[in-house]
Amino acid sequence: SQQGEEDPQALSIQEGENATMNCSYKTSINNLQWYRQNSGRGLVHLILIRSNEREKHSGRLRVTLDTSKKSSSLLITASRAADTASYFCATATFSSGSARQLTFGSGTQLTVLP
Amino acid sequence: ETGVTQSPTHLIKTRGQQVTLRCSSQSGHNTVSWYQQALGQGPQFIFQYYREEENGRGNFPPRFSGLQFPNYSSELNVNALELDDSALYLCASSLTGGGSGANVLTFGAGSRLTVL
Repeated sequence: SQQGEEDPQALSIQEGENATMNCSYKTSINNLQWYRQNSGRGLVHLILIRSNEREKHSGRLRVTLDTSKKSSSLLITASRAADTASYFCATATFSSGSARQLTFGSGTQLTVLP
Repeated sequence: ETGVTQSPTHLIKTRGQQVTLRCSSQSGHNTVSWYQQALGQGPQFIFQYYREEENGRGNFPPRFSGLQFPNYSSELNVNALELDDSALYLCASSLTGGGSGANVLTFGAGSRLTVL
């Protein structure tokens, strides 16, 4: 089952614009991560935000987390054609004795037009 | 530092057959997770292996099984293939313990299985 749901499902913008993707989840988490996937290939880790953090930056990426609303957003500033990919949020919930698994959302397909 | 490698990259099987997919972990990682990704969907957790034992399982039937070897490489076996098993199978390695804490996954490029 999907823990997170991304919104929108698809987003098309012009190069240089900012792209914002949102993620909602259902249960309490230890951390939330964003991954990127190019056209049916493997996923690449972008950024992690822990449950006690509210905002984090990495280069052109900005992630926010609102645990009261169980939601997160990923902002990509000054987008480039090379940012075209699918973006997934993934939540990590650790409990004693359980696998340290990630639960992924259904993804946002971002298209950046040159 | 080598990344995660998976083989084969593509394969075609028929219903009822069996398949084995292989994965080599990233150097320094001791945990392997397998995910199934259907077209247009996010990855779904199949199971995870740590210290050569299954350490958690998603909502997949017993015909999905796996192994982890002493060098931390891993296999995913699927018996009695069904049409719905057609998907991209992703292997991911990570480090459990050693202060890692966060469970950041390093993914391979995947094995695309088509069941006819």
